[in-house]
Amino acid sequence: QKEVEQNSGPLSVPEGAIASLNCTYSDRGSQSFFWYRQYSGKSPELIMFIYSNGDKEDGRFTAQLNKASQYVSLLIRDSQPSDSATYLCAVNRDSGYALNFGKGTSLLVTP
Amino acid sequence: SAVISQKPSRDICQRGTSLTIQCQVDSQVTMMFWYRQQPGQSLTLIATANQGSEATYESGFVIDKFPISRPNLTFSTLTVSNMSPEDSSIYLCSIPGRGDTQYFGPGTRLTVL
Repeated sequence: QKEVEQNSGPLSVPEGAIASLNCTYSDRGSQSFFWYRQYSGKSPELIMFIYSNGDKEDGRFTAQLNKASQYVSLLIRDSQPSDSATYLCAVNRDSGYALNFGKGTSLLVTP
Repeated sequence: SAVISQKPSRDICQRGTSLTIQCQVDSQVTMMFWYRQQPGQSLTLIATANQGSEATYESGFVIDKFPISRPNLTFSTLTVSNMSPEDSSIYLCSIPGRGDTQYFGPGTRLTVL
């Protein structure tokens, strides 16, 4: 069973702080890694993807990938209350487009 | 990026009945995916739907329970058959984006009584 593991949280951070979300995966054949944000009652929204080891920055978001450790993380700088949501880590299967999702980490940014 | 719509957005159904969920995309796509998100759980892929061929179902999902149609490159339906309360979930369709990305429709929230 190919698995994606996340701490369910809730992770609570004060406004302006850095939120750090972590994810581990079991399928060593995975090549593509994604972070989705899901607000309550809404569908997942893609916010970051990363394919290579190292860091990838996009605005306030930084994705970090370490394939040797099978670990991917998402950093959110200058966290805002509007960032409060569930963050889903997803990993592609080695056979193509299908994605395996973690259960998500609930993030709460307090004013 | 493509616009994805789903109908209905939500429904409440009686056990033993069936519901067909529609997914419409405003551009042609080869592959479409159907996911289920049970309460408090993450997304689980039900099947991959390619136009012109039978859908490919994931382990634990069968065609008799979740028949899928893909009549053209912009449209797909998922039917949830002979429903039970355990089928209460959000059902989402998705399409590939650039690279290996996927983009999701707004979802259909199903409650089975």
